[in-house]
Amino acid sequence: ETGVTQTPRHLVMGMTNKKSLKCEQHLGHNAMYWYKQSAKKPLELMFVYNFKEQTENNSVPSRFSPECPNSSHLFLHLHTLQPEDSALYLCASSRMEGGRLGLMDEQFFGPGTRLTVL
Amino acid sequence: SQQGEEDPQALSIQEGENATMNCSYKTSINNLQWYRQNSGRGLVHLILIRSNEREKHSGRLRVTLDTSKKSSSLLITASRAADTASYFCATEVSGGSNYKLTFGKGTLLTVNP
Repeated sequence: ETGVTQTPRHLVMGMTNKKSLKCEQHLGHNAMYWYKQSAKKPLELMFVYNFKEQTENNSVPSRFSPECPNSSHLFLHLHTLQPEDSALYLCASSRMEGGRLGLMDEQFFGPGTRLTVL
Repeated sequence: SQQGEEDPQALSIQEGENATMNCSYKTSINNLQWYRQNSGRGLVHLILIRSNEREKHSGRLRVTLDTSKKSSSLLITASRAADTASYFCATEVSGGSNYKLTFGKGTLLTVNP
């Protein structure tokens, strides 16, 4: 749809499981983001990667571990999650120059992964 | 309150009517963006307005920005049932090493056929 794909679209996992979310962008962007969207709360930025380098960790618990092997792929590794981690996890990408969003830049979002932790 | 806050939280109108949503923010910004989200899906960028701009148009969308009042509005004219979605404003804050958008909680718009 938007050039940003996410897999899986739905995931149910137990608290002791280890799983990974995958995001891929086909837009030639150099910045990628993970967001968490919970009911009745604003979209929460989790991580920012610029040219594969993590430039933002928004006080995210260590049970979430991001990985960015190249500027087109982003992973979110999950382990020992809690039920309150159930949410829609959204990946986004954008062009970023000089460490900040350009004046004309927008973020392109993937469809999200609906995660349920039992 | 947070950096970006939309008002109202929910809006229900009839098809053909105009819908106006407002966004207020607290600190100086580089730009303000509006996004749309259909239920349980990713966000779609609608329009970006820079801090030195006052108004922008895109199709049936009109966005205004008043930096003195730290507020923005999104107007959707001649609404359609397909416009039913949540609408979010997002601000890119100026100064320092800021390179991220801060989103509000959104306005849920329902357009009744």
